[in-house]
Order: sequence, then structure tokens, then C-alpha cells
Amino acid sequence: GNSVTQMQGQVTLSEEEFLFINCTYSTTGYPTLFWYVQYPGEGPQLLLKVTTANNKGSSRGFEATYDKGTTSFHLQKASVQESDSAVYYCVLGRNSNNRIFFGDGTQLVVKP
Amino acid sequence: GALVYQYPRRTICKSGTSMRMECQAVGFQATSVAWYRQSPQKTFELIALSTVNSAIKYEQNFTQEKFPISHPNLSFSSMTVLNAYLEDRGLYLCGARDWGVQDTQYFGPGTRLLVL
Repeated sequence: GNSVTQMQGQVTLSEEEFLFINCTYSTTGYPTLFWYVQYPGEGPQLLLKVTTANNKGSSRGFEATYDKGTTSFHLQKASVQESDSAVYYCVLGRNSNNRIFFGDGTQLVVKP
Repeated sequence: GALVYQYPRRTICKSGTSMRMECQAVGFQATSVAWYRQSPQKTFELIALSTVNSAIKYEQNFTQEKFPISHPNLSFSSMTVLNAYLEDRGLYLCGARDWGVQDTQYFGPGTRLLVL
């Protein structure tokens, strides 16, 4: 079936530290992969997406590489800011049935 | 840009009553709309997927009798929670899919339902 795994429930960092959020997926074929970010009181916002294997997506300093070999789509940022504090969701998209599949989310807390 | 509005943002209803929530896409054509419920633990449950010119598909544990959905055009969808009880509490999100960017869902801010 289709699934997404994010192992880290919460990540706590200080400003300017390096961020790495682990994401692996399971599916058949070539899905589209997304990272969404959800701030308190808001709905999920698209952060970045990659439609082609072995390509990298980037936005606002965040990067993720679609690695079909390891079925991973880890999120990274070189230097986090307090304003990056939010919940980050790794998401798998299947065009064939219009459905997307969410990971459980990773709460990022950035301390000043 | 693609925007999705939801209203009300927050509502309180008495146990056993019903409430209707709306979702509006602005700046793009929403060929499909997915309704989700997000738990306090932040996980998402897909309630149903509505695609223009197709029947609405409800997920297991969700029914049309409980969560009737209307999707009359490419910019608007509504869902009603009938006979709401405590277990129906949560943040209801709509994710609208852009016809021109078919693999991406844009989300509204959600309608938070509290049941007394």
C-alpha cells in the first residue's frame, strides 16, 4: 500500500542550527513527494514538492531530495530560525487516484 | 496564487445538532476537493474525496449519511456534520486540487468543531 514514515515526533533546536527531518515512503511507481508545513491555527501549507526521482526541491532555505533508491525524501535546512517552529509533514501523492498520504508529522521547536 | 478559504473558522454546537462548513477555492479551479479531520495529535483522517463529474468517495468509517458533501462547481464545496457528538470534535480541513497542477492540494485554514 501507500504510506509515509516520519520517525521523529519532535525536534528541538536552537537558532542557526542544522535541521534534518527523516522521511521514507512506500508505494509503487513514481509518486510526487511533498513537504507541507503547518503553523498553529492554520492549515497545512505547501513548502516544496518534487515530481521526478533524483531531483531536489527547495524553498525558503529548505531542501529535500527525492531518492528512489532509498525511498526517502528527507527535509534539511542549514540554519533554522525561531519562525520555522511548526509541524512538518512529509506527504506522498498519487495522481492515479487523486489521493495524498500524510506522515505523522514532526514538531519543530526552535529556541531563540 | 492559489488560496483556499474555509468558514466558519470555529464553531460550537450542542451534542446531537448539525453544522455546515464551507470551502472556497480562489485563483484556481478545484477539480477535486478532499475533506479531512485532523485530530489533536495532528494526524489526518481522510473523510471523503469529491471530484467533479464523479461520485463522492467516502473512506471507511465515514458515510454520506453522517457527512453529506456538496461540490456544485469548481470553486466551492460544503460538508455538513449531522448529529454531532463528542467524537466528531476536531479540525476539519479541505484540500482543493488545482486542475492545472493536478498533483498538488491546497489547504484552507480549517473549521474547528467543538461539541458540547
